[in-house]
Amino acid sequence: GAVVSQHPSWVICKSGTSVKIECRSLDFQATTMFWYRQFPKQSLMLMATSNEGSKATYEQGVEKDKFLINHASLTLSTLTVTSAHPEDSSFYICSARALLGGSGGNEQFFGPGTRLTVL
Amino acid sequence: AQTVTQSQPEMSVQEAETVTLSCTYDTSESDYYLFWYKQPPSRQMILVIRQEAYKQQNATENRFSVNFQKAAKSFSLKISDSQLGDAAMYFCAYRSFYGGATNKLIFGTGTLLAVQP
Repeated sequence: GAVVSQHPSWVICKSGTSVKIECRSLDFQATTMFWYRQFPKQSLMLMATSNEGSKATYEQGVEKDKFLINHASLTLSTLTVTSAHPEDSSFYICSARALLGGSGGNEQFFGPGTRLTVL
Repeated sequence: AQTVTQSQPEMSVQEAETVTLSCTYDTSESDYYLFWYKQPPSRQMILVIRQEAYKQQNATENRFSVNFQKAAKSFSLKISDSQLGDAAMYFCAYRSFYGGATNKLIFGTGTLLAVQP
């Protein structure tokens, strides 16, 4: 099956610094990538949707200047948490969707997640 | 807007027994997809089963099957012969059929399944 990787798997940073998380589709081209945030024992909260070569679409309440998303290629998307603060500590999950013959068949595959801890 | 509701925050089942996880959803669309995802302690999201709304036949994947009731907007997951490895958080999710690759998955709040040996 299709594989999505995330790097790093966990990161600890100091308050005020920026952290970049990479999401790669390893064996397929991802026309669309999604970034989620998940708190312990809660559901996934969609932060933004990105398409290759265009600006990301952010969900209501998500600060686009704080969570910078770049979908540079059909296999790579990055999420940069700028000026991170302890409240940004969370589990971040990316997901990639391959377009297979239109809206009927495209599957969505998830990365293993990145645990961010801001001190 | 579509919503997905999972009314069972936690469930428990004995090993080798059968358990059913509930999911209801609300939509005005007639064509859509429904999914069950498993999130084990590793937190890797794994697709368990998928159902297309236009298909009347319930989807089945080995020990996992669904009871899809379109009129009632119900989509329950049955796990037969439960195994210790089935212990995980299970999320029900909805996705519209139209709109292409940017369609969002709408997740329920999840059901934490414990499997007792």
